[in-house]
Amino acid sequence: NAGVTQTPKFQVLKTGQSMTLQCAQDMNHNSMYWYRQDPGMGLRLIYYSASEGTTDKGEVPNGYNVSRLNKREFSLRLESAAPSQTSVYFCASSEAEGGVGGYNEQFFGPGTRLTVL
Amino acid sequence: AQSVTQLGSHVSVSEGALVLLRCNYSSSVPPYLFWYVQYPNQGLQLLLKYTSAATLVKGINDFEAEFKKSETSFHLTKPSAHMSDAAEYFCAVNQDTGRRALTFGSGTRLQVQP
Repeated sequence: NAGVTQTPKFQVLKTGQSMTLQCAQDMNHNSMYWYRQDPGMGLRLIYYSASEGTTDKGEVPNGYNVSRLNKREFSLRLESAAPSQTSVYFCASSEAEGGVGGYNEQFFGPGTRLTVL
Repeated sequence: AQSVTQLGSHVSVSEGALVLLRCNYSSSVPPYLFWYVQYPNQGLQLLLKYTSAATLVKGINDFEAEFKKSETSFHLTKPSAHMSDAAEYFCAVNQDTGRRALTFGSGTRLQVQP
């Protein structure tokens, strides 16, 4: 089991360029998430997908789009990168347990370190 | 909305000393609480979780945390720090059981001095 995998590990973009961050999980989880991590701010939710075919905005969605390609894969796209999007991006997946609502142990990928010049 | 506050962005302890990392939450309903650890240049790894089964929760690597409803706290402790514990630690709360997303604190970087 690879868990959650992300590609690429590192990327440098120029302002205005576009790119797609890829994420895949092999744990048969329904829910997947994209976070960004910035110094002193913890992790902030960009978008999430509760199940295949659904996506919803998180706390900081502006400038991003997502695609839940199938149950395994959830990609994050930057259409026109800006320096403010320089960050470390983490993908996560989870399956609720414990009955109604349950709890939400999330499994994280290793991250993509993105620099926008 | 729920939120998490981690007191102290940096904590430094000597090897063998007690580790105490503080986390306070706000929630109008019983929360689910988590501690994650992030080693340098790696993703987040779950240390332990509180899901209302027991107020004292034991995790990996001898870490534990106690849920105190009266203080709205979920502080992380370890009796004796090891050099390998140097990392960043995040407290998180289940933001909304319907949406199943987590709200994270800003993190505490633990430094262990020899």
